[in-house]
Order: sequence, then C-alpha cells, then structure tokens
Amino acid sequence: ETGVTQTPRHLVMGMTNKKSLKCEQHLGHNAMYWYKQSAKKPLELMFVYNFKEQTENNSVPSRFSPECPNSSHLFLHLHTLQPEDSALYLCASSLPQGGTDTQYFGPGTRLTVL
Amino acid sequence: TQLLEQSPQFLSIQEGENLTVYCNSSSVFSSLQWYRQEPGEGPVLLVTVVTGGEVKKLKRLTFQFGDARKDSSLHITAAQPGDTGLYLCAGSFSGTYKYIFGTGTRLKVLA
Repeated sequence: ETGVTQTPRHLVMGMTNKKSLKCEQHLGHNAMYWYKQSAKKPLELMFVYNFKEQTENNSVPSRFSPECPNSSHLFLHLHTLQPEDSALYLCASSLPQGGTDTQYFGPGTRLTVL
Repeated sequence: TQLLEQSPQFLSIQEGENLTVYCNSSSVFSSLQWYRQEPGEGPVLLVTVVTGGEVKKLKRLTFQFGDARKDSSLHITAAQPGDTGLYLCAGSFSGTYKYIFGTGTRLKVLA
C-alpha cells in the first residue's frame, strides 16, 4: 500500500464509450501525475498537476481529458479512444522538498480498448 | 531529448547469484529513484538517492549515485526468486515536476 489508490483496476471499453479513471492520494502531496505505460516502452508522462493547476501536458490527444478538483484527487476522462490507447495507466503523487522529488505510484488501471 | 539508459534490458539468473543494473544519462539530476514493478501493478519505490557518490543499502540491495549525479547502479547480492520484476530508475529535476524514466531492466531469478 503506497498511499495512492486507483479505480478501477481493470477497464474494457469500446471506441465509442466514455469512461473515467480515478486516483486518490492520502500522502498530503501537492503534485499529481498521469502516466501511460505500454509494453516495451518507458513510462510516458501525460499530465502534471501542482496544487490543482495543470503544469504539464505532453502533447496528449484531446480524447484524454484530465481533471484535478483538489490536491488529493485526480481523474482521467476517456472518450472515443483507439485500440492503441490500450495500456496500463498509472497515477503518481509527490511532494517536492529541497531536491528530493520522489514520486509514489498507484497500482494502475489496465485499460483495454476494443 | 533527455534519456536515461538502463542496462541490461533483460537478465535471467540463478538463485544465489549477484547482479548489477546500471542507469546512465548525460543529464544531471537533483535526485534519482529506483523502483521495482511487478506485472499489472504500479512501480514500488525502493530508494531515493540525492547526493553525488551516495551509497544506500536496503538488505541485499545496494544503490549508488554517481559523483556527477548523472548515473546510478543497483547491486543485488544473493538474488532470490522474490527479486523477480521490472526495475526502473527515474531521475528528477528539482522544482520542475519533471521526471525521466529509464527503459527498465527485466530481472528473472530462477529457483
């Protein structure tokens, strides 16, 4: 248990569906992140939020829409996805302190797009 | 483009053997993390190193941060099947919320 929870753990959706991934951190951190992990690729940073403000958007397609209502919760809204979007989606949080910027990850959501 | 190269990519060894995984970059990091990830799960933090030349030990695991803070190594002594997993290194840049992840080392320890 890392203090970061994600739901659902598994999700299967069609290309026309709309779904949302949820992340919650119980660590008192102020930054939250979405990553995509595909087979044989390094982790790809998608979005970063610092105190609810989005600070990074790494050229992510608009079919992925993040939402950060407060520093403890993060959502990723999904719509009209493509099969190549199938991957493990990881949420992470951190509390940058004097150069020790350690991220803590949730267990991930395994997404399959049919 | 900032890269963090890990080697080897794959490693299959017998229980009881020693091994070292390397993480190299041309970038200078403010800190570097090592994680272990099991299939279908998120990466679990093993250690954070901050100071150049720092050595940290976690039971049979020894982590070293290079003097110039551009590289790191993970040494496992007397590997056990429970050490099997994907090992990831990640470098961070203070105050930027930016992290660079390594390509990963997939370790399999055979009983």
